[in-house]
Amino acid sequence: GAVVSQHPSRVICKSGTSVKIECRSLDFQATTMFWYRQFPKKSLMLMATSNEGSKATYEQGVEKDKFLINHASLTLSTLTVTSAHPEDSSFYICSANPLAGGYNEQFFGPGTRLTVL
Amino acid sequence: AQKVTQAQTEISVVEKEDVTLDCVYETRDTTYYLFWYKQPPSGELVFLIRRNSFDEQNEISGRYSWNFQKSTSSFNFTITASQVVDSAVYFCALSEAWATNAGKSTFGDGTTLTVKP
Repeated sequence: GAVVSQHPSRVICKSGTSVKIECRSLDFQATTMFWYRQFPKKSLMLMATSNEGSKATYEQGVEKDKFLINHASLTLSTLTVTSAHPEDSSFYICSANPLAGGYNEQFFGPGTRLTVL
Repeated sequence: AQKVTQAQTEISVVEKEDVTLDCVYETRDTTYYLFWYKQPPSGELVFLIRRNSFDEQNEISGRYSWNFQKSTSSFNFTITASQVVDSAVYFCALSEAWATNAGKSTFGDGTTLTVKP
């Protein structure tokens, strides 16, 4: 099956720093990737849709300037948490849709656990 | 707007018992996809099944089975003869099918299943 990787898998940073999380589709190309956020013992909440070559579409309530998304190639999307604060601590998961394969294919990355001290 | 409801927050069973996880969804779309995922403590989502809205056939895969009832907007998941390794959080998800939103998923709140030896 298709593989999506995320890097780093775990990051701890000080309050006020920026953190970049990478999401890569390893064996397929994806024009669309999605970023989700999961708080402990909670569900996954869609943050934004990342489109290759264009601006990301953010869900209501998600700060665009806080969570910067760049989808520079068909295999890479990055999420940058700017000026991170403890309330940004969460589990971030990306998913990718292959170019081919229809609308029902969605492959998830393993997630990145962010802890802001 | 789409909505997925998993009314059971936590379920605890003894090994070898059968257990059913409920999922009820709401959508205005006529074409959509339903999913079940398993999330073990490691956090990585494990894909279990995908079902499109036109296929109401029930499915069985080993100890797992799924009952899709479009008339009641339900997509329930049954584990037969549960095992300790089945302990995890299980998510039901609904995905839009149209090109612009393909793969964009709405998740239920999850059901934490604990299987005791």
